[in-house]
Amino acid sequence: SQTIHQWPATLVQPVGSPLSLECTVEGTSNPNLYWYRQAAGRGLQLLFYSVGIGQISSEVPQNLSASRPQDRQFILSSKKLLLSDSGFYLCAWSVRRAEAFFGQGTRLTVV
Amino acid sequence: AQSVTQLDSQVPVFEEAPVELRCNYSSSVSVYLFWYVQYPNQGLQLLLKYLSGSTLVKGINGFEAEFNKSQTSFHLRKPSVHISDTAEYFCAVSPPYGGATNKLIFGTGTLLAVQP
Repeated sequence: SQTIHQWPATLVQPVGSPLSLECTVEGTSNPNLYWYRQAAGRGLQLLFYSVGIGQISSEVPQNLSASRPQDRQFILSSKKLLLSDSGFYLCAWSVRRAEAFFGQGTRLTVV
Repeated sequence: AQSVTQLDSQVPVFEEAPVELRCNYSSSVSVYLFWYVQYPNQGLQLLLKYLSGSTLVKGINGFEAEFNKSQTSFHLRKPSVHISDTAEYFCAVSPPYGGATNKLIFGTGTLLAVQP
């Protein structure tokens, strides 16, 4: 069966520090991968998606970037965090246009 | 472009009472529809989905939803709720065509608060 791992679960980082969140998927090949951010009362916002290794599409301009160095690995990064980067980050995967499956999320607090 | 509206930010209900969580969508093309549930500080879990076929779809935990194309709605229902159903519920849509990706568009969520 397919599983998705996302870590860390919680993270407190100072403003201006770098960020690296990692997500890996098991049990499937060539999945579509997604990074979402959830802010209170605002639902989920798609940040990045990827249909293959090295292929990244950004949905909104921001202080973040994403990379896919391996088929089932998706990384969310920032060189310098802003206070506005705080939120709940969710990684997800899907196969073609079927439903998406989500990781457990990372609660990021920038202080 | 597609959009999703969940008018109710919070729905309080007593245990064992029925509940309906409303979802309306806007799209000029046919869409796939989903309901997800999120428990505190956790990821999203798929409750049910509508891709095609029967407009009444049944999901996990006793939930069901009905796709109404004329009203562009996909309301979620449960005949008798439990305390354990307390969670945030998200409606989502994705276009059935337009590439290989499934870029889900989410509503802002409805908090279902079940009271004893």
